[in-house]
Amino acid sequence: SAVISQKPSRDICQRGTSLTIQCQVDSQVTMMFWYRQQPGQSLTLIATANQGSEATYESGFVIDKFPISRPNLTFSTLTVSNMSPEDSSIYLCSVALSGGTTDTQYFGPGTRLTVL
Amino acid sequence: GESVGLHLPTLSVQEGDNSIINCAYSNSASDYFIWYKQESGKGPQFIIDIRSNMDKRQGQRVTVLLNKTVKHLSLQIAATQPGDSAVYFCAERTGNQFYFGTGTSLTVIP
Repeated sequence: SAVISQKPSRDICQRGTSLTIQCQVDSQVTMMFWYRQQPGQSLTLIATANQGSEATYESGFVIDKFPISRPNLTFSTLTVSNMSPEDSSIYLCSVALSGGTTDTQYFGPGTRLTVL
Repeated sequence: GESVGLHLPTLSVQEGDNSIINCAYSNSASDYFIWYKQESGKGPQFIIDIRSNMDKRQGQRVTVLLNKTVKHLSLQIAATQPGDSAVYFCAERTGNQFYFGTGTSLTVIP
């Protein structure tokens, strides 16, 4: 497995501002992912972040709203831009680690965001 | 999109009893499945996985069963403890994409 940390663990932000969430992994990984988890709901993939290339966004998510950086194989950031109360959610980063022929996803502790 | 769902949104069990949490998936092409545990305020924690070429896999106090005929996955927890109280959800992989269920909330009654 991997040890994944996220900063901040939680934040309360004002409408219209932006928040950058950091994700740090204790080993080099090729694939990192950003998810959103709203209360009582499943995980929704926002984007896949691979080092050295542009992030790949899922339907409904755009780079202007959720810019992502992936400067190296152990770190990534997700910015939630021009926030509104609808962005209140838990944001999770995850990494894919190879276990033989299978890639397993491991998650960070999450960032709990509340937008007022 | 994929349909990965759980049969019961909540489950209460007595401490010491066995727990069974179920999951249905829709894509017969899914080749890999994972069970996660998520405690309140924490990220999902990997519990156990199983590949589609297997029917059963056992871990420490946990067993995952896969029935590909009816596209059903279950997680069995033996001798359930208060620390097992959490939301459990399954994930299936199709190609290089993971799809996650909504979760079952397990409450262990002391």
